[in-house]
Amino acid sequence: KQEVTQIPAALSVPEGENLVLNCSFTDSAIYNLQWFRQDPGKGLTSLLLIQSSQREQTSGRLNASLDKSSGRSTLYIAASQPGDSATYLCAVYNTDKLIFGTGTRLQVFP
Amino acid sequence: DTGVSQNPRHKITKRGQNVTFRCDPISEHNRLYWYRQTLGQGPEFLTYFQNEAQLEKSRLLSDRFSAERPKGSFSTLEIQRTEQGDSAMYLCASSPGQGNEKLFFGSGTQLSVL
Repeated sequence: KQEVTQIPAALSVPEGENLVLNCSFTDSAIYNLQWFRQDPGKGLTSLLLIQSSQREQTSGRLNASLDKSSGRSTLYIAASQPGDSATYLCAVYNTDKLIFGTGTRLQVFP
Repeated sequence: DTGVSQNPRHKITKRGQNVTFRCDPISEHNRLYWYRQTLGQGPEFLTYFQNEAQLEKSRLLSDRFSAERPKGSFSTLEIQRTEQGDSAMYLCASSPGQGNEKLFFGSGTQLSVL
C-alpha cells in the first residue's frame, strides 16, 4: 500500500528565505508526482507535475525534484513571500489515482 | 474552460439527513474523481469514473455513500443518514482520461453535520 509522508508538518519563515519541503513515498512504482497548493477552506491548485522519467520541473520561483529510486521529492521555493503562505501537498499517481501526503503548512511573515 | 465546478460550496445538515453534492468537470474530461479531506489531513480517495463507468471505490465509501455519473458529464455524490464523522470537505477533480496526467480540482463542498 502506497503511503506518502511530508516533512515538516509546519514551517514558519521570514520573507525572503529559500526553503525546501520534503515528500517521501513507500512504493516507487509511480507514474508521476504532483505538488499542489491549498489555501484555507479552498480547493487545490496544481503547481508542478513531474513524470516518473523526469528528475525535476521548474515554474517561476518553484523547483521540484524527483528521485524515484529512493522514494523522495523536494519542493524548493526561492525568495519566499507572504503570499506563499498556504498548505503544500505532495501526491503520487499510481493505480489510476492520486495518493496524497498530509501536507506542509507554510507561513511566511514580513 | 471554466474549471471544475462544485455545488453547493457549503452544506450544514442535521445528523440522519441525506445530502447530495454535484460536480461539473471540465468539458470533455473523461475522468472524474471524488476525494474527502478532513481538517489537517491530505485528501483521501473515494471513487472515480471513466465516462459513466465507476471503476474504483475506496473502502472509505461505506454503503451510505453513492456516486453517479449518469451521462458521463456531471457527477453527484449522495450521503444517506449523515453522521457527525461525515463532516469534511468533499473535493471533485477531473482529468482528460488518458491516465498519468494532471488532475484539476474544484473548490470543494464543505459539509458540516450537526
